[in-house]
Amino acid sequence: AQKITQTQPGMFVQEKEAVTLDCTYDTSDPSYGLFWYKQPSSGEMIFLIYQGSYDQQNATEGRYSLNFQKARKSANLVISASQLGDSAMYFCAMRGNQAGTALIFGKGTTLSVSS
Amino acid sequence: DTGVSQDPRHKITKRGQNVTFRCDPISEHNRLYWYRQTLGQGPEFLTYFQNEAQLEKSRLLSDRFSAERPKGSFSTLEIQRTEQGDSAMYLCASSQGIGNEQFFGPGTRLTVL
Repeated sequence: AQKITQTQPGMFVQEKEAVTLDCTYDTSDPSYGLFWYKQPSSGEMIFLIYQGSYDQQNATEGRYSLNFQKARKSANLVISASQLGDSAMYFCAMRGNQAGTALIFGKGTTLSVSS
Repeated sequence: DTGVSQDPRHKITKRGQNVTFRCDPISEHNRLYWYRQTLGQGPEFLTYFQNEAQLEKSRLLSDRFSAERPKGSFSTLEIQRTEQGDSAMYLCASSQGIGNEQFFGPGTRLTVL
């Protein structure tokens, strides 16, 4: 069975600091995708970054980068130069390669950025 | 606005009543998903459609739940005989193809009294 584990219920960081949000996954699929979403208090899920299991390079999108360590089955999100607007819930998710392409989400990490 | 839209945004109902939610995906997206999110948890998959065909249903989707996507455009999710345990945020997402990211709507928050 596929599973996503996020072990940090909450993280606190000051503006302009970098922060790493942890995510480990479990799957037997040789091909899979890993996603990070941001959910502000408004409730909308905002797509941040994607990493394919066969991608050689770590994904980057602006201030977001994904530290993909396949052997360790980890896909940590790194946010550089945190901003107050980054305060939100962050979810790691995985898409497998078997029938059905639903995303499997972790329980999320709440990030609080202070000035 | 070309994003995913959901209606209503909030619904309060009494136990035992039926409710129906609507989702309008991004127009060119052929895949549509429904998820449920309870407080403090990540979204959980309910069902998805490719065009008008419902291809998979989660075990979470009891026989009180039914979803449709007529003509492969908007989708509706109906819950019959609501229970307090149905209180949650119901999220709709759409995507184009299999591998691409899913774009989520703002959700419908259901409260069953």
